[in-house]
Amino acid sequence: QVQLVESGGGVVQPGRSLRLSCAASGFTFNTYAMHWVRQAPGKGLEWVAVVWYDGSNKYYADSVEGRFTISRDDPKNTLYLQMNSLNAGDTAMYYCAKVGAPYTSSWYFDHWGQGTLVTVSS
Amino acid sequence: EIVMTQSPVILSVSPGERATLSCRASQSINTYVAWYQQKPGQAPRLLIYGASTRATGIPPRISGSRSGTEFTLTITSLQSEDFAVYYCHQYNNWPYTFGQGTKLEIK
Repeated sequence: QVQLVESGGGVVQPGRSLRLSCAASGFTFNTYAMHWVRQAPGKGLEWVAVVWYDGSNKYYADSVEGRFTISRDDPKNTLYLQMNSLNAGDTAMYYCAKVGAPYTSSWYFDHWGQGTLVTVSS
Repeated sequence: EIVMTQSPVILSVSPGERATLSCRASQSINTYVAWYQQKPGQAPRLLIYGASTRATGIPPRISGSRSGTEFTLTITSLQSEDFAVYYCHQYNNWPYTFGQGTKLEIK
């Protein structure tokens, strides 16, 4: 069965960096686009970034463009999110999500990880 | 950016009754809408995609529909496990956007 396990969250000071990981299993990782979605405490869902199944394209939300970098390591079946210049507005649960069909990026999310919490605070 | 507006923000319904949740898109998004359910402390769970197709394992009492840019999630015969927060999501345009959520609570 599909499993997505995020890690790397924690408490970080404003302006510092953090790298999140998402270990995937139970599906052919290198045929699926992967996304990061975040949720601030008590708030709704916010899409963050996507990487194409082949890594050829990456898109970002305006709120993180230029500060966050999404990447993937297909041999390791792992998705990453490098987060730089963090601020209080980045405090959230970060979920990785798999799209519902292979070889496409524009699709719904059929599986989500349990999330990793990032808290930006001095 | 496409804005997804959900209504109502809070919906109070008795067990066994029907709940109707709405989501309006600010522009045409064809049928590229999904609905997710989220319970406290859990990740979202896919219910509906393509505006009306049930995800694997979702019972027939949960259904989705579309009329232009208006999307509806209907849950009949409400059961205790249905009380949660529901989000609509458009995946027609970048950036992907979500509605602000509807909390379905027990009346």
